[in-house]
Amino acid sequence: QSALTQPPSASGSPGQSVTISCTGTSSDVGGYDYVSWYQQHPGKAPKLIIYEVSKRSSGVPDRFSGSKSGNTASLTVSGLQAEDEADYYCSSYAGIKHWVFGGGTKLTVL
Amino acid sequence: EVQLVESGGGLVQPGGSLRLSCAASGFTFDSYYMSWVRQAPGKGLEWVAKIKHDGIEKYYVDSVSGRFTIARDNAKNSLFLQMNSLRAEDTAVYYCARVRYSSGWSFDYWGQGALVTVSS
Repeated sequence: QSALTQPPSASGSPGQSVTISCTGTSSDVGGYDYVSWYQQHPGKAPKLIIYEVSKRSSGVPDRFSGSKSGNTASLTVSGLQAEDEADYYCSSYAGIKHWVFGGGTKLTVL
Repeated sequence: EVQLVESGGGLVQPGGSLRLSCAASGFTFDSYYMSWVRQAPGKGLEWVAKIKHDGIEKYYVDSVSGRFTIARDNAKNSLFLQMNSLRAEDTAVYYCARVRYSSGWSFDYWGQGALVTVSS
């Protein structure tokens, strides 16, 4: 069982927006502004898309945005495109536990 | 261009040992923390181990502490993971990842992964 809770799946039609949640505790998500999001296409390595809650990694389109409220972080993908179909993982720095991850969300573009 | 290339994966019997390597290039290796992150088949990501620039400070997830050892050779731009007393639940793709502590302790570059299968 993963330390952070994500919905197993999410979906949207091209051009729509979808939001993926990531719920932790005050010891991880709520305690640090060190939430990251990773995109993973099948058979590929994860790719950093968001760090420090809301900062986009280099080359990541501004369709991707991140936010946090309390113990829950969120990733929003606006203007969905076919290439956004992938697994998305949240992660939080967690002090003495170092890093915890969510179980992943499979995003389907309908 | 930053590149991380893992090697050393394979099939090993329960109780056996394996050593993974990660060759780094395209950046100043000894300026970065490095980590290993694993992904069991069809499952999510799990942080395994972290090593500081100097190779002295090392940290592990509880489930591998005492069995796995992370190490680095800054002269050869290489990262290692020595895995002993392997169990079936250690079966996973192991990724070498660069840690960017100046960017919220994120993993900003990943290797392609090395598959470790523990089975009799």
